[in-house]
Amino acid sequence: GAVVSQHPSRVICKSGTSVKIECRSLDFQATTMFWYRQFPKQSLMLMATSNEGSKATYEQGVEKDKFLINHASLTLSTLTVTSAHPEDSSFYICSARVPDRENTEAFFGQGTRLTVV
Amino acid sequence: LAKTTQPISMDSYEGQEVNITCSHNNIATNDYITWYQQFPSQGPRFIIQGYKTKVTNEVASLFIPADRKSSTLSLPRVSLSDTAVYYCLVGDPYGNFNKFYFGSGTKLNVKP
Repeated sequence: GAVVSQHPSRVICKSGTSVKIECRSLDFQATTMFWYRQFPKQSLMLMATSNEGSKATYEQGVEKDKFLINHASLTLSTLTVTSAHPEDSSFYICSARVPDRENTEAFFGQGTRLTVV
Repeated sequence: LAKTTQPISMDSYEGQEVNITCSHNNIATNDYITWYQQFPSQGPRFIIQGYKTKVTNEVASLFIPADRKSSTLSLPRVSLSDTAVYYCLVGDPYGNFNKFYFGSGTKLNVKP
């Protein structure tokens, strides 16, 4: 089946620094990818929709200047957490759907555990 | 956007059949129902998807009544490894389907 891969799987950074998380579709092209955040024992919260070649669309309450999204190619979207603070520590997950496929399931990456110290 | 409601948690024993019901009263005509499984510190994994009646695959069955206002995920003969959170989502596969808004999910705890 289609594979979505995230890198890194875990990252620890100092408060005030920026962290970039990559999301790649390994065997298909994804014009649209989605970024989620999940706090411990909570559900996934949609943060933004990443569109190849255009600006990302952010959900209400998500700071676009804080969470920079770039979707420069059909197989790669990146999420950069800028000036990270401890409250940004969370599990970040991306997803994508294989376009033009009869099966409309979404494929999720394995997630990135961000810890800000 | 269709909102889903599921039980927060369920307990079961190995070998039993588990049925998890999801309520989606305002499901739209073009919406499909999809269930995902999530283990701790992993991304969600697709289980099954359907539009109406019954769908079965190698791991689960999905029952959808005629009014489509609810759905039931059936897991036959669960094992300890089925302990996970199960999410029910609804969306239009031919629209911005992937823009899933996750509900609370159901934490299934399978006991030996």
